[in-house]
Amino acid sequence: DQQVKQNSPSLSVQEGRISILNCDYTNSMFDYFLWYKKYPAEGPTFLISISSIKDKNEDGRFTVFLNKSAKHLSLHIVPSQPGDSAVYFCAASLSGTYKYIFGTGTRLKVLA
Amino acid sequence: NAGVMQNPRHLVRRRGQEARLRCSPMKGHSHVYWYRQLPEEGLKFMVYLQKENIIDESGMPKERFSAEFPKEGPSILRIQQVVRGDSAAYFCASSPEGQTLVDGYTFGSGTRLTVV
Repeated sequence: DQQVKQNSPSLSVQEGRISILNCDYTNSMFDYFLWYKKYPAEGPTFLISISSIKDKNEDGRFTVFLNKSAKHLSLHIVPSQPGDSAVYFCAASLSGTYKYIFGTGTRLKVLA
Repeated sequence: NAGVMQNPRHLVRRRGQEARLRCSPMKGHSHVYWYRQLPEEGLKFMVYLQKENIIDESGMPKERFSAEFPKEGPSILRIQQVVRGDSAAYFCASSPEGQTLVDGYTFGSGTRLTVV
């Protein structure tokens, strides 16, 4: 019963182009959605988040879009840089709880 | 200004032994969370603790696993009588009082447990 799904295990993008990472969820009650970035042998690092009352949040090169009717969110990275190469996890949470439900991750490789 | 500190980074145990994983939260953080990542999977919530209290342990296996966050010292995740299926990366995270879910946690670098 995977409530948060990242169906693309990997993605390769040329440096300077846009990276789009996708995430689908099944529980329409989720209130918060986050993206974490993880390098090998390190812990996940918080990247950007969005609450369910919004449909877009932007922070520098990173933008998260939320489509509640489709139960879908995406992370756009523009322009992509080689240092963005990492595994990206999306996560969702319900208010009143203290935990996140993570997807299985997408490995992004930005080619120089 | 250290982040969340976990030790050891790598731990090898034989089947049937005990594993103790330690986590020191960031300075000023009073909430600790433990997550487990099995190979090729996402992180899965295990337990949420505040000082001397377990708030939510809904993700903890019913047997062999326990967690504590004493008044003094680090949080400890203890796995008794380890089995091969316990091999995973165990991540600890912390947050300060009043932080909302949209702000995320700060994770440590994890402990990689290998059961042989």
